[in-house]
Amino acid sequence: DQQVKQNSPSLSVQEGRISILNCDYTNSMFDYFLWYKKYPAEGPTFLISISSIKDKNEDGRFTVFLNKSAKHLSLHIVPSQPGDSAVYFCAATSYSGTYKYIFGTGTRLKVLA
Amino acid sequence: DTGVSQDPRHKITKRGQNVTFRCDPISEHNRLYWYRQTLGQGPEFLTYFQNEAQLEKSRLLSDRFSAERPKGSFSTLEIQRTEQGDSAMYLCASSIGLAGTDTQYFGPGTRLTVL
Repeated sequence: DQQVKQNSPSLSVQEGRISILNCDYTNSMFDYFLWYKKYPAEGPTFLISISSIKDKNEDGRFTVFLNKSAKHLSLHIVPSQPGDSAVYFCAATSYSGTYKYIFGTGTRLKVLA
Repeated sequence: DTGVSQDPRHKITKRGQNVTFRCDPISEHNRLYWYRQTLGQGPEFLTYFQNEAQLEKSRLLSDRFSAERPKGSFSTLEIQRTEQGDSAMYLCASSIGLAGTDTQYFGPGTRLTVL
């Protein structure tokens, strides 16, 4: 059972435009969500996170939105840059005594110059 | 560099051999995690330690897999009698935050190829 889903395996965006990456989850116990970026042959790099008590968190060009009723989160990157081209993973965890993350399958973003 | 480090970065082995990977977490982090990532998938949780105690293991971690963190610092992941299905990227992460706000920082991974 895939508790965290990223239904778009790939996305292409023109440089300077907005990139929107989506993530859906099924477990209502999840209360902390994160986005990671991964380049080939490297480990995932933390980008931004959001707690379930918020609906938006912003850090520079990156903004994460959380819609708890829809069990949906999205990552907005604006403006998109060629260096943003990578695979993006969303991850979720719950405050139930476990610290493990559940990851989605990733979305490959390509920013075209 | 004070990030998470993993050694080796690549390992090629023959089916049936044993392999061991090492992870050095960020120095002040008390929790250490192992994940496995296969092609087209996100990282999958294997196990984690708080200090030297192994607190959770996934059912993905068969009896051929064993992990240790003897002094609460570095950790090792051993796979005995490797199978071709063990070929994957093995990722280590570390953290220190409270549950519900804990952010894990990942190392570069060890890519295992079983021939």
